[in-house]
Amino acid sequence: EPEVTQTPSHQVTQMGQEVILRCVPISNHLYFYWYRQILGQKVEFLVSFYNNEISEKSEIFDDQFSVERPDGSNFTLKIRSTKLEDSAMYFCASSEGVRTNGYTFGSGTRLTVV
Amino acid sequence: TQLLEQSPQFLSIQEGENLTVYCNSSSVFSSLQWYRQEPGEGPVLLVTVVTGGEVKKLKRLTFQFGDARKDSSLHITAAQPGDTGLYLCAFNGGATNKLIFGTGTLLAVQP
Repeated sequence: EPEVTQTPSHQVTQMGQEVILRCVPISNHLYFYWYRQILGQKVEFLVSFYNNEISEKSEIFDDQFSVERPDGSNFTLKIRSTKLEDSAMYFCASSEGVRTNGYTFGSGTRLTVV
Repeated sequence: TQLLEQSPQFLSIQEGENLTVYCNSSSVFSSLQWYRQEPGEGPVLLVTVVTGGEVKKLKRLTFQFGDARKDSSLHITAAQPGDTGLYLCAFNGGATNKLIFGTGTLLAVQP
């Protein structure tokens, strides 16, 4: 069954450092998303991406965050200067379309900012 | 603002017991999705319900969409330890139909 692959699975970084989280969505999917889940809290939408541009972003997705699809397969989330409160699980997801039967999520990257 | 409230928040039961978890809102939805998330993993789609009053079965799991399409329930028969996880309902909303999750029900099934 097709999968969404995320790397790394764990990342520990110092406050103020830049991190890049990587995702390989399902190959025939057109819509890509990043979600965040702080420990013990709900899964929160960060950003959606379609046709090589951001289609929607949440208030969490401020100027410290950026997304990119540098080639035909990778989809990355960059946090420019990490803060302690950025510590969370970050999930990438993809879907065939906006009116879809569901998203496929990756296994997540656990980001710990120290 | 459309919100999904799930109840109970936590549930710990013994293997073999039945349980029901609920997903409620004051808003009407065209469809609702249910996901299960295991520790350290991403959410995995279980089912999508579309029609008011619809009932869908997935082995021991029975999903129902309310007649008014404002709520949904998940009933698990004879729960097993493998059912342990966070159960999330979700809907597509916003300008780009992004997935918006409910508050979740954390289920623990003790052997």
